[in-house]
Amino acid sequence: GAVVSQHPSWVICKSGTSVKIECRSLDFQATTMFWYRQFPKQSLMLMATSNEGSKATYEQGVEKDKFLINHASLTLSTLTVTSAHPEDSSFYICSARTHRGPNEKLFFGSGTQLSVL
Amino acid sequence: GIQVEQSPPDLILQEGANSTLRCNFSDSVNNLQWFHQNPWGQLINLFYIPSGTKQNGRLSATTVATERYSLLYISSSQTTDSGVYFCAVDGGSNYKLTFGKGTLLTVNP
Repeated sequence: GAVVSQHPSWVICKSGTSVKIECRSLDFQATTMFWYRQFPKQSLMLMATSNEGSKATYEQGVEKDKFLINHASLTLSTLTVTSAHPEDSSFYICSARTHRGPNEKLFFGSGTQLSVL
Repeated sequence: GIQVEQSPPDLILQEGANSTLRCNFSDSVNNLQWFHQNPWGQLINLFYIPSGTKQNGRLSATTVATERYSLLYISSSQTTDSGVYFCAVDGGSNYKLTFGKGTLLTVNP
C-alpha cells in the first residue's frame, strides 16, 4: 500500500514556542492531504484539508492562524502549531489521498504526539 | 453533517473468539473505510468498502449501503488484534472522512 511518513512522532515543547510537523507521501503524489487531531480515548477530528499550491481549507472552529498549513509540493504538507499552549497538547495525524488502484483510499501517517509544557 | 455510530464501544475477548463490530451512518456514502489504531497510535487501513463484502485473512467486512450500516468481522482473534477499530465515512466526493467514536477491542491471551 501507499506510504505516508509523518515526523516527528513525538515532541515536547515549552508554552509559547512553535512546532512544525511534516507529512510526506513517499511513493505517490498527493494533491490533497488532511490533518486530524485526536484527544486521548477520543475519535479523530478533521482540522483542515491541505491542497497543493493553494490555501488550506479549515474546519469550523479551527484557528487558521494557530495551525498554519503549507502544502508546497505534491509530496509534502506541514502543520505548524504556533505559540503552542498546553491545551494544544494532542495527537496529530495526517493523511493523504491516493488514486492508486481501482479504489481511492486515504492512508495515514503514524501520528505526532505533541506535549506542551 | 453525516453521523457515524459504532457499537459496541468496548469489547473484551479471549484469544480465538470471533467478534462483530457495527457501524451505522446517517446518510448515503461514497466512501467507507475501516481502520485499526494500534496502541502506538498508528492507523492501519483495513478495508475500503462503501458497499458489498470483502475479506482479508481473518477479517471481513460487509456494507449494506441501502440500510446504512457496515459490519467488521474478526475471526479467531489474536492478542495483536487489540486496539481501537474506527469506521469512517464520506458522504460527498472530497474525501473528508467523518470518524465514528471507535470500538476498543481487548483480546486476552
